[in-house]
Amino acid sequence: NSKVIQTPRYLVKGQGQKAKMRCIPEKGHPVVFWYQQNKNNEFKFLINFQNQEVLQQIDMTEKRFSAECPSNSPCSLEIQSSEAGDSALYLCASSPQTGGYEQYFGPGTRLTVL
Amino acid sequence: QQKVQQSPESLIVPEGAMTSLNCTFSDSASQYFAWYRQHSGKAPKALMSIFSNGEKEEGRFTIHLNKASLHFSLHIRDSQPSDSALYLCAVSMFVGDNSKLIWGLGTSLVVNP
Repeated sequence: NSKVIQTPRYLVKGQGQKAKMRCIPEKGHPVVFWYQQNKNNEFKFLINFQNQEVLQQIDMTEKRFSAECPSNSPCSLEIQSSEAGDSALYLCASSPQTGGYEQYFGPGTRLTVL
Repeated sequence: QQKVQQSPESLIVPEGAMTSLNCTFSDSASQYFAWYRQHSGKAPKALMSIFSNGEKEEGRFTIHLNKASLHFSLHIRDSQPSDSALYLCAVSMFVGDNSKLIWGLGTSLVVNP
C-alpha cells in the first residue's frame, strides 16, 4: 500500500483565495509529481521534482501555481488566487526511480473553489 | 506530443466475465506501459506494467503490448465486483532521467454480481 500522505483531504476556498496543499512522499523516493484530476477523470501533469529541484512543469503552474519540495519538510502545492476552474482532485505521487516511471499515489486533496 | 487514448469509456460486465480494456499511444519510441486502477474516492494504484512486446500475466490480470500497432491492453479473467473501478493507462517516453507518464482518460468498469 502506498505511503504517500496528502493533507488536507478536502479544501474549500473562495475565488481569489490562496489554496495550499501538502504531500509527504514515500521515504526514499527521490521524485515527486503533482497532478490535477478533473471531474472528467482527466489527469493533468502539473510539476515534478527530483529531490528539491524542479524537473518539469507546465505553463499553468508558472503563473498562479507554485510548488516546492524542501528537504526535511513536506512538499507543497499552492494556488495563489483560486479560480472556479481549479476545483479538482490534486494528486501527489512519488517514485523510487530517478526516471519516475513507477509512481505511488497519495489519496489526493479535493479542492472546491466556490 | 504523445497522445494516449483509452477505449471503451465505460464498460459493464457480469461477474465471472473476461474484461478487455484498450489503450493506444501515438509515439512508437515509448518505452514503458502501465495500467493503474482507481477505486472511487481512492488513490490510483499501479496494477501492471510492461517494457517490451508480448504478454505478462499476474493472477487474473494479463497485460499485452504490441508496439508496432501502438496498442496495449489489460485483460481481467473472472471479473469480480471488487474490480469495479476506473482503469487508467499510462505511457512513458523513456526510462531514465526526466521521463514523464502520459495518461489516458480512463475506462470506468462496473462488474455486476
